Amino acid sequence: QKEVEQDPGPLSVPEGAIVSLNCTYSNSAFQYFMWYRQYSRKGPELLMYTYSSGNKEDGRFTAQVDKSSKYISLFIRDSQPSDSATYLCAMSAGSNYQLIWGAGTKLIIKP
Amino acid sequence: EADIYQTPRYLVIGTGKKITLECSQTMGHDKMYWYQQDPGMELHLIHYSYGVNSTEKGDLSSESTVSRIRTEHFPLTLESARPSHTSQYLCASSGTTEGFGNYGYTFGSGTRLTVV
Repeated sequence: QKEVEQDPGPLSVPEGAIVSLNCTYSNSAFQYFMWYRQYSRKGPELLMYTYSSGNKEDGRFTAQVDKSSKYISLFIRDSQPSDSATYLCAMSAGSNYQLIWGAGTKLIIKP
Repeated sequence: EADIYQTPRYLVIGTGKKITLECSQTMGHDKMYWYQQDPGMELHLIHYSYGVNSTEKGDLSSESTVSRIRTEHFPLTLESARPSHTSQYLCASSGTTEGFGNYGYTFGSGTRLTVV
């Protein structure tokens, strides 16, 4: 069983919709949680970073961590066609540990 | 502009050839990484370095080697390419970033390798 599970999609929604992307994990030692966005033919870029539990908001993006359920989410409000990309979650138990990655969810925002 | 560069972007090569994938960063980051990415699959760490003359193998078994003679340069070499090496190779570096702790990884655009 993978340490991090992520639905590969694709997830197709109309422009302006609220998008919810999710990852589940099995390792309770994970403390650091990240969301990366990857456009086609590009490397991933860091979107959001959260330490431990709680919410973090940055513009149209909100990252949420529920450690009791081992579940993290990324919400995108007022979605735009430019948000169409693959979104990867990543997490780590600490600075002495490597990142563990989800397989990514492909998101398509239809104009 | 701080960035990380990978060359070549695309490479088609015959079985048995020796190849080197180049990676350079301008941010002065001590930590650098090589990942392999296949469609629909998670990133797999194949090599990493925490500084000059320091290299380690990652979780994914790999027939490649790396070197870190200069902070900014982290090339990956395949001594004898095989069709099973066909994949996308991503290079990344990380440093302490405000708001992102130690997890502000910056990735290059990748090298798409095809071995025929």
